[in-house]
Amino acid sequence: SYVLTQPPSVSVAPGQTARITCGGNNIGSKSVHWYQQKPGQAPVLVVYDDSDRPSGIPERFSGSNSGNTATLTISRVEAGDEADYYCQVWDSSSDHPYWVFGGGTKLTVL
Amino acid sequence: EVQLVESGGGLVQPGRSLRLSCTASGFTFGDYAMSWVRQAPGKGLEWVGFIRSKAYGGTTEYAASVKGRFTISRDDSKSIAYLQMNSLKTEDTAVYYCTRVVSSGYYSNWFDPWGQGTLVTVSS
Repeated sequence: SYVLTQPPSVSVAPGQTARITCGGNNIGSKSVHWYQQKPGQAPVLVVYDDSDRPSGIPERFSGSNSGNTATLTISRVEAGDEADYYCQVWDSSSDHPYWVFGGGTKLTVL
Repeated sequence: EVQLVESGGGLVQPGRSLRLSCTASGFTFGDYAMSWVRQAPGKGLEWVGFIRSKAYGGTTEYAASVKGRFTISRDDSKSIAYLQMNSLKTEDTAVYYCTRVVSSGYYSNWFDPWGQGTLVTVSS
């Protein structure tokens, strides 16, 4: 089965740039999606198809994907960005496709 | 506004059954695949399964951890998706989220939006 690897935690000062990585075998050939989950809340989609933003998501959130690593970049980090972030792909390589999530990264705003 | 509301969670003994419901509003329910995702306390997200729209046969796929025990169904006339959970185990304890599947092509599918979740606790 396909595995996605995220760092457990990332820390950044307000106003700086946070980069959260998601590693997977040849992940650059897949579409990667990112979710933000704040404590006690349901996940919210922040980036889809590697780098597209849903309506209502600030331009500070961006994504990229190449080779074996996808990256969610949050520019000008704010206190309100503190949350868990999950990457996701859809693995259609078998007769029974399924979704895979990374283990999640806790973003701490110092 | 697109909205998903789960219900049916609660405390259940190991080996028993429980059915969750997901009531949708704000979009044409029958046009979309629907999925369930769970999150054990303090843990990450785990995909449980999904059901395709009737246009794609209404068939289902499940994670290996629940295959054979869980069944997803849908009632398009009521805009409700169900998750029937049988032979529950303590490790099934989690918040269960209902979510809509959105696609930009066969190889790209994501979840948006998510319901607020319903807690299932399996314990004796």
